[in-house]
Amino acid sequence: QVQVVESGGGVVQPGGSLRLSCAASGFTFSNYDMHWVRQAPGKGLEWVAFIQYDGSKKYYADSVKGRCTISRDNSQNTVYLQMNGLGAEDTAMYYCAKDLRGHWTLDYWGQGTLVIVSS
Amino acid sequence: QSALTQPASVSGSPGQSITISCTGTSSDVGGYNFVSWYQQHPGKAPQLLIYDVTNRPSGVSNRFSGSKSGNTASLTISGLQAEDEADYYCSSYTRSITWVFGGGTKLTVL
Repeated sequence: QVQVVESGGGVVQPGGSLRLSCAASGFTFSNYDMHWVRQAPGKGLEWVAFIQYDGSKKYYADSVKGRCTISRDNSQNTVYLQMNGLGAEDTAMYYCAKDLRGHWTLDYWGQGTLVIVSS
Repeated sequence: QSALTQPASVSGSPGQSITISCTGTSSDVGGYNFVSWYQQHPGKAPQLLIYDVTNRPSGVSNRFSGSKSGNTASLTISGLQAEDEADYYCSSYTRSITWVFGGGTKLTVL
């Protein structure tokens, strides 16, 4: 069955960097677009970034543009989110999600990895 | 990229029906039929309930239905059950090639 498993979260100091990973299985990863979405503690969902199936197109939320980079390795069935210049506002659970091809919706989500930005 | 507008909370008794609204603009909800709804139980990941305004993924109960009129989409849950108590989020693809979520609605089953 479809699975996406995030990792790489942790506690990082303000201004620091972190790279999140998302390992996918149960589907032909190289055929599907992927997303990152985050949720601050007690808050709602915020879409963060999108990467096309072949990595050729990437889109970002204004709140992370210039600070975050999404990438993927189709040989490893993994998508990444490199985050730089982290601030308290980036503290959140980060979810990786598979896109339902042709429908611009997120159909399978991982359980998330928690990022805490704190000194 | 302003969030879509949802009521903060709704409630209903078991067996009743409730509707959650989701208001956007012509650049998102009103401009595309790529509106989705997600259910999130406490401490869990969101799960897809509705996509393309009205479609249910395999395995989702037909008690959940979606609709749209202009810039407002709606999720209706009929025959409320205790297990429906959760947070619900709408989402839409946007003209800027981004995605936007609603602020979320907490459903309480009385």
